[in-house]
Amino acid sequence: LAKTTQPISMDSYEGQEVNITCSHNNIATNDYITWYQQFPSQGPRFIIQGYKTKVTNEVASLFIPADRKSSTLSLPRVSLSDTAVYYCLVGDRGTGKLIFGQGTTLQVKP
Amino acid sequence: EAQVTQNPRYLITVTGKKLTVTCSQNMNHEYMSWYRQDPGLGLRQIYYSMNVEVTDKGDVPEGYKVSRKEKRNFPLILESPSPNQTSLYFCASSFSQGKNIQYFGAGTRLSVL
Repeated sequence: LAKTTQPISMDSYEGQEVNITCSHNNIATNDYITWYQQFPSQGPRFIIQGYKTKVTNEVASLFIPADRKSSTLSLPRVSLSDTAVYYCLVGDRGTGKLIFGQGTTLQVKP
Repeated sequence: EAQVTQNPRYLITVTGKKLTVTCSQNMNHEYMSWYRQDPGLGLRQIYYSMNVEVTDKGDVPEGYKVSRKEKRNFPLILESPSPNQTSLYFCASSFSQGKNIQYFGAGTRLSVL
């Protein structure tokens, strides 16, 4: 089964760039890598998705190396409202099942 | 409005009393999934469905059942709930599994006494 590893927690200050890396092995060849944000008592919310190289949208960037064994979510100039838990999601190569990372709790301080 | 709707949002029950948590999506998605979320364990997949009448076990299927008779609905059934099934449950749907942008419901907080 695909295994994912994320840092459990990270601290940052307002206005800084935050990078959260997820290591993932044995992921499905054709599946995308997706990142979600979750606030307390809410369902996870889609942030960004990519397959290889770099993807950027209005809220984040995602960097995926050629071997796809990791991915890095980059949040530019975080604010207090970015305090949340961030999850990576990958597909398992063998079974096709979707596997969430354990989540990284980001605390943004003023 | 595109959404995934779960009911109920909160449920307190007793051991052994069968219950069903409903999930409905209005986006014509083929893929639907149930997760449970527990402190320190993150989100774990219980069951998923690639399409109508096609369901498969996720990582933690024991004690749960699902059905997919219609595309829009994917109920989660606990035939004989036990206290270790006390958890926060999320239903999710997406167009497919591979390009897996999933849309999540608001969650169902279940307590089994």
